[in-house]
Amino acid sequence: AQTVTQSQPEMSVQEAETVTLSCTYDTSESDYYLFWYKQPPSRQMILVIRQEAYKQQNATENRFSVNFQKAAKSFSLKISDSQLGDAAMYFCAYRRPGGYGGSQGNLIFGKGTKLSVKP
Amino acid sequence: GAVVSQHPSRVICKSGTSVKIECRSLDFQATTMFWYRQFPKQSLMLMATSNEGSKATYEQGVEKDKFLINHASLTLSTLTVTSAHPEDSSFYICSAREDTYLEAFFGQGTRLTVV
Repeated sequence: AQTVTQSQPEMSVQEAETVTLSCTYDTSESDYYLFWYKQPPSRQMILVIRQEAYKQQNATENRFSVNFQKAAKSFSLKISDSQLGDAAMYFCAYRRPGGYGGSQGNLIFGKGTKLSVKP
Repeated sequence: GAVVSQHPSRVICKSGTSVKIECRSLDFQATTMFWYRQFPKQSLMLMATSNEGSKATYEQGVEKDKFLINHASLTLSTLTVTSAHPEDSSFYICSAREDTYLEAFFGQGTRLTVV
């Protein structure tokens, strides 16, 4: 079974600085998707960034980028120029490909990292 | 992105009663819907997966007779917590995806309190 591990329960960053959140996963599959979700106090899950395992290039979305190391099964999130609005829980998630059949494409989440941003 | 609407956002019910939570995909056809449960300061745990028109697949340890899931159409899935007890108090979140989408989209969540 696939597992996702986030080893940092809490992280703190100064406003405008850069922070990296760690995520490792375990799978025997070669094709899959990885995601970072943000959950603010409202508890609405917001997709931050996604990465397809077959792509070697690291995904980037504005101030958010990932360091995807497939061989090491590592998927860290870097937040540049941190803003107060970035404060939230961040969840790393793994998804198998597919829609029909047994996999269903459900997400497997890590335990989350609570990010605080200091003004 | 696609929109998933979940209602109600908060509900308080008496112990022993049932409560229904709705999850609607507003602008796409949700081939698959997922129901998660989240305890305070914890991660999301998958409860069940449902496909339109078929029975839901429940995760190990989730009581299917207690958490009834119906996915009657491509835009609506419901979770009914039957004979609710205080230990069922939690945050329930649905998500939905269409098969060609890479990601699933989440509802706003429902905070259930059983008194």
